[in-house]
Amino acid sequence: DSGVTQTPKHLITATGQRVTLRCSPRSGDLSVYWYQQSLDQGLQFLIQYYNGEERAKGNILERFSAQQFPDLHSELNLSSLELGDSALYFCASTPLRIDPSDTGELFFGEGSRLTVL
Amino acid sequence: AQSVTQPDIHITVSEGASLELRCNYSYGATPYLFWYVQSPGQGLQLLLKYFSGDTLVQGIKGFEAEFKRSQSSFNLRKPSVHWSDAAEYFCAVGPSFKAAGNKLTFGGGTRVLVKP
Repeated sequence: DSGVTQTPKHLITATGQRVTLRCSPRSGDLSVYWYQQSLDQGLQFLIQYYNGEERAKGNILERFSAQQFPDLHSELNLSSLELGDSALYFCASTPLRIDPSDTGELFFGEGSRLTVL
Repeated sequence: AQSVTQPDIHITVSEGASLELRCNYSYGATPYLFWYVQSPGQGLQLLLKYFSGDTLVQGIKGFEAEFKRSQSSFNLRKPSVHWSDAAEYFCAVGPSFKAAGNKLTFGGGTRVLVKP
């Protein structure tokens, strides 16, 4: 158990709909990352938040948005869903502190599998 | 831009045989390097990491990896594979300085099948 919790584990929805994926990072971790894993694109970085602020943006579509709340949990919102958005969405967290114990690894949740029909 | 290449998409190995998974990276500075494993239906679990010091690093489950700067490689090895090692393996590279935010770039993965 990595300590990162993602809900829901599975989600089936229709094209055009909107869903929200939730992530609770490990206790004390300030930074949250979202990745998308699909068969054709592999693991793609979407976005990173640090202590409530957007820190880095990757290949995230304009239909997607995310935020990190004061209690450090994060949500990924996916709207106007298309068939191609079907994927496994991972959240990861890390302390991102300037201390020797943080050696840069990310701790991953078990993912939310989204199926768009 | 940073990138990671895992040349082998699939590898089939017999139980008890040795395993080597290749990873080549492109990075403009000294990287942090990682190997993660993903079992079916599971998240990614860290096997091992390299960030400084000895270029041969030991990880969990009997895995080791060797960092070769001259070859920009970080290959993963295991002397004797167990059936439970069947999974997908990902190599990743990230920045060695915190200001860059720890974002990891992953390779495409290598799926390992273990024959009895």
